Amino acid sequence: GENVEQHPSTLSVQEGDSAVIKCTYSDSASNYFPWYKQELGKRPQLIIDIRSNVGEKKDQRIAVTLNKTAKHFSLHITETQPEDSAVYFCAASYSNYQLIWGAGTKLIIKP
Amino acid sequence: SAVISQKPSRDICQRGTSLTIQCQVDSQVTMMFWYRQQPGQSLTLIATANQGSEATYESGFVIDKFPISRPNLTFSTLTVSNMSPEDSSIYLCSVEVGGDAAFFGQGTRLTVV
Repeated sequence: GENVEQHPSTLSVQEGDSAVIKCTYSDSASNYFPWYKQELGKRPQLIIDIRSNVGEKKDQRIAVTLNKTAKHFSLHITETQPEDSAVYFCAASYSNYQLIWGAGTKLIIKP
Repeated sequence: SAVISQKPSRDICQRGTSLTIQCQVDSQVTMMFWYRQQPGQSLTLIATANQGSEATYESGFVIDKFPISRPNLTFSTLTVSNMSPEDSSIYLCSVEVGGDAAFFGQGTRLTVV
């Protein structure tokens, strides 16, 4: 079955710098790759997603890139702000809309 | 998107008792998902609930322990039965919208004492 690996588990960056979180997946049939942000004590919130027919997608300071050949996708956050501090999860979907989740990355924005 | 109301938001329960968590969606959805999330951990899928059929459980989860109801396309319940302290966790319901994206209820923080 599908397996999603996410790195790093913790990422600390200076406010204003960029942050990159990477995920790899195992099943080449996966065709949908969302990213979620979960603030402490709150539900996961979808922040951006990408489908397998697209290589990159941007939404203001957030972007996701997908490399189907290498089977990896990444979340890029530019000009990081304190409110970006949270746990970020990647996921992959290949059938029945069931998402396979990465382990999560705790992003810390240092003032 | 979808608006999902989940309740209770938290509860403290005695071991050996059961708790039923409710999830109400503001639109009709085909599949609803129930997850468990331990503090600091990722999401673990418990089961997938389709209206009109039995829920499909993931490895390590059984119907006797986590019975699920799905009486219509907007509502589902998850019961945590015969609870022990190991069942203390956050339980989340989720629905898929637009074919892929998952949206979550606000979660139920369960503490078993």
